[in-house]
Amino acid sequence: EAEVAQSPRYKITEKSQAVAFWCDPISGHATLYWYRQILGQGPELLVQFQDESVVDDSQLPKDRFSAERLKGVDSTLKIQPAELGDSAMYLCASRPRQGAYEQYFGPGTRLTVT
Amino acid sequence: SQKIEQNSEALNIQEGKTATLTCNYTNYSPAYLQWYRQDPGRGPVFLLLIRENEKEKRKERLKVTFDTTLKQSLFHITASQPADSATYLCALPGYSSASKIIFGSGTRLSIRP
Repeated sequence: EAEVAQSPRYKITEKSQAVAFWCDPISGHATLYWYRQILGQGPELLVQFQDESVVDDSQLPKDRFSAERLKGVDSTLKIQPAELGDSAMYLCASRPRQGAYEQYFGPGTRLTVT
Repeated sequence: SQKIEQNSEALNIQEGKTATLTCNYTNYSPAYLQWYRQDPGRGPVFLLLIRENEKEKRKERLKVTFDTTLKQSLFHITASQPADSATYLCALPGYSSASKIIFGSGTRLSIRP
């Protein structure tokens, strides 16, 4: 069964350093999402892509976060510089071009900023 | 903006009983509502989607109801098993975009043998 791939699974970094996360959605899924989830809360959308275009990045802290999906397939989320408050789970999800609205999530990247 | 409320306290029930989780929402009328399961340290897994014109939907031991008048969805697991222990998230489409979903904070369910 096809799955969303994410790497790394865990990342520890010092504050003020740069960090990057990678996501490979299910093949053929045109819509890709990046979420941040703080322990005890639900996932919060950071950015939504349709193919290579950003559809919604209203909740992305653009002074330090950036996201790209250059060829409309895999995607990278970057934080520079990282802050202590960025410690969280970063989840990637994808959705088919046509069909229902369910989203398929990857295993996530657990970020710890020290 | 839309607001989603789920019981923040964990729900503990005996194996074999029916677990019922609640999702309440305010400020708009969503076209659909979804439920996801999330295990510790893992990404959410889609379980069920129910549309506004559906009152009830079932999948194996799972049942979801959607009351658009009360602005509430109930999620039931019948004949619960310890393997059903997880956090269950309610999700609704964004006010301005049906392809964007907003998650509740989830309810942690524990099934004791």
